[in-house]
Amino acid sequence: EIVLTQSPGTLSLSPGERATLSCRASQSVSSSYLAWYQQKPGQAPRLLIYGASSRATGIPDRFSGSGSGTDFTLTISRLEPEDFAVYYCQQYGSYFGQGTKLEIK
Amino acid sequence: QVQLVQSGAEVKKPGASVKVSCKASGYTFTFYGFSWVRQAPGQGLEWMGWISAYNGNTNYAQKLQGRVTMTTDTSTSTAYMELTSLRSDDTAVYYCARAFWSRGDYHPNGFDYWGQGTLVTVSS
Repeated sequence: EIVLTQSPGTLSLSPGERATLSCRASQSVSSSYLAWYQQKPGQAPRLLIYGASSRATGIPDRFSGSGSGTDFTLTISRLEPEDFAVYYCQQYGSYFGQGTKLEIK
Repeated sequence: QVQLVQSGAEVKKPGASVKVSCKASGYTFTFYGFSWVRQAPGQGLEWMGWISAYNGNTNYAQKLQGRVTMTTDTSTSTAYMELTSLRSDDTAVYYCARAFWSRGDYHPNGFDYWGQGTLVTVSS
């Protein structure tokens, strides 16, 4: 089983800043099968990125994904107030990372 | 518009079973599949498995093998998840999500629409 480890556990930033979230796999993951989700309290998760770098329908272009092999990154170029949430990476349409909480500084 | 509407909250005793439904609308049912994801209180997302509505193929999380069964009913565009031998640590919000595939690959590429969640409480 491939284990995804996300870092940092919590990221404290201000609106307008750039956020960089990391997802590291215990073994190589095909880029086609790396996805990112956003979850706000009391809501279902929302798909942001699939195929490591393709934005899902309706996702603003301030969200971008990159990476390959064992190291993947979600970048939010300029944080908006509504971006503060928990973010999860996922591999092969199955197991998730433990999440990164993005909080307002 | 795509909608996934789940059944209501459940309270079960340890050892019992629960079956949660997820009714889909707004798209061609057999072109996609479903995954079930649960979230215990204050915890992260736990993938439980997926099922293809096209051919019925399933893939279950290893820790739930033997306790979980996922099915679909194309006549009613509904997916089901049944979990047996319930324990207190099965208490969670259970989500269904639409799974999509590219090019007929075995693994889904992601889950693009989600139900509202169903709280299942296991307590004596």
